[in-house]
Amino acid sequence: DIQLTQSPSFLSASVGDRVTITCRASQGISSYLAWYQQKPGKAPKLLIYAASTLQSGVPSRFSGSGSGTEFTLTISSLQPEDFATYCCQQLNSYPYTFGQGTKLQIK
Amino acid sequence: QVQLVESGGGVVQPGRSLRLSCAASGFTFNNYALHWVRQAPGKGLEWVAVISNDGSNKYYADSVRGRFTISRDNSKNTLYLQMNSLRAEDTAVYYCARDVVARPPYSGMDVWGQGTTVTVSS
Repeated sequence: DIQLTQSPSFLSASVGDRVTITCRASQGISSYLAWYQQKPGKAPKLLIYAASTLQSGVPSRFSGSGSGTEFTLTISSLQPEDFATYCCQQLNSYPYTFGQGTKLQIK
Repeated sequence: QVQLVESGGGVVQPGRSLRLSCAASGFTFNNYALHWVRQAPGKGLEWVAVISNDGSNKYYADSVRGRFTISRDNSKNTLYLQMNSLRAEDTAVYYCARDVVARPPYSGMDVWGQGTTVTVSS
């Protein structure tokens, strides 16, 4: 199975900050990577798919990049509603796997 | 509006069976693949299974293969997950989710249900 490792696992930041979350795959996954945002008690929300394609309706302050084994999710200017847990998922090969998550907290 | 609504969760004893349903509305059901994803209490997301738009392609996580069966009825706009030989470690919130595309290679899940809770306990 392909393992996805996110870093950091916890991140403290302030409104207006630029933050980057990294997702590393244990083997190459081309660009078959998605990013999700999840808030407590809620279903995940798709932010990015195909590594860098912004899902419709998602603010442009979110962006994704990378291919192969290293990927990043960047939030250019944090807003209060962005404090949540972020998770990557690979869809290159079965079984599809998720990263362990990055909890973004208010500093 | 575009919506997925899960049902069928509950408390079940180890070794027993349960069938989850996911009713879709607001979009052309047979144009999209569908997934089941679960989340154990306090844990991360775990992908469970996927089925293509016409039901011809199905794939499962190792942890459920041979025990769980994903299926769909395109005439009823409904997705199912038949869960047999349930174990304590299957305890989780189960989400159904729509993929961005209809067939492999899949891209990501853009519409999610609210989740249904399955508790496996004696």
